[in-house]
Amino acid sequence: DGGITQSPKYLFRKEGQNVTLSCEQNLNHDAMYWYRQDPGQGLRLIYYSHIVNDFQKGDIAEGYSVSREKKESFPLTVTSAQKNPTAFYLCASSPTMDRYYSNQPQHFGDGTRLSIL
Amino acid sequence: AQTVTQSQPEMSVQEAETVTLSCTYDTSESNYYLFWYKQPPSRQMILVIRQEAYKQQNATENRFSVNFQKAAKSFSLKISDSQLGDTAMYFCAFMKQWNNAGNMLTFGGGTRLMVKP
Repeated sequence: DGGITQSPKYLFRKEGQNVTLSCEQNLNHDAMYWYRQDPGQGLRLIYYSHIVNDFQKGDIAEGYSVSREKKESFPLTVTSAQKNPTAFYLCASSPTMDRYYSNQPQHFGDGTRLSIL
Repeated sequence: AQTVTQSQPEMSVQEAETVTLSCTYDTSESNYYLFWYKQPPSRQMILVIRQEAYKQQNATENRFSVNFQKAAKSFSLKISDSQLGDTAMYFCAFMKQWNNAGNMLTFGGGTRLMVKP
């Protein structure tokens, strides 16, 4: 089945440590997105990429970095500069070339919960 | 830029009754799409219903229906015959008309719905 796989499901970060969250999709989508969700809050866009080797900052990019070396993969690194990383992180993907979007505007992974040790 | 506002942080409803969740948005676009997503305790993002702005008829999906008021920029979700499985966070989301930059979503802050037995 096509879909988005995020790993790990739970992740713990020590002070001063960088951690990387994985996001892989086999939907052949060009665009991928990273969102942060704090408890009881909505989704805020961290970074997005519409094509391989290109990405743009979202609303809360500070303290995060991404890469897009392959169409299928869009890993997110939470750097030590992000002082409050504890949150739920969601990855999503969407087509860009379909003039009529598919049944869902964005397909979401199951998320990664990041906590500070 | 678009903004999406959900003014009800929390709501509750008795099983089998009807509840309406509110959403307002602000945009200068004339063509766009609106969505309601459900996020149960499992944290999956599930698309509940969508509405194309050019359609005057309100969308309906089984027990879920919307009241779309384009002039008022209002997009409420009505859940009829509420079930315990409807307990979740509900997010309203906005998307501009398709363009080759992907399906960018703007989310509201969410409404936590509790269905009581």
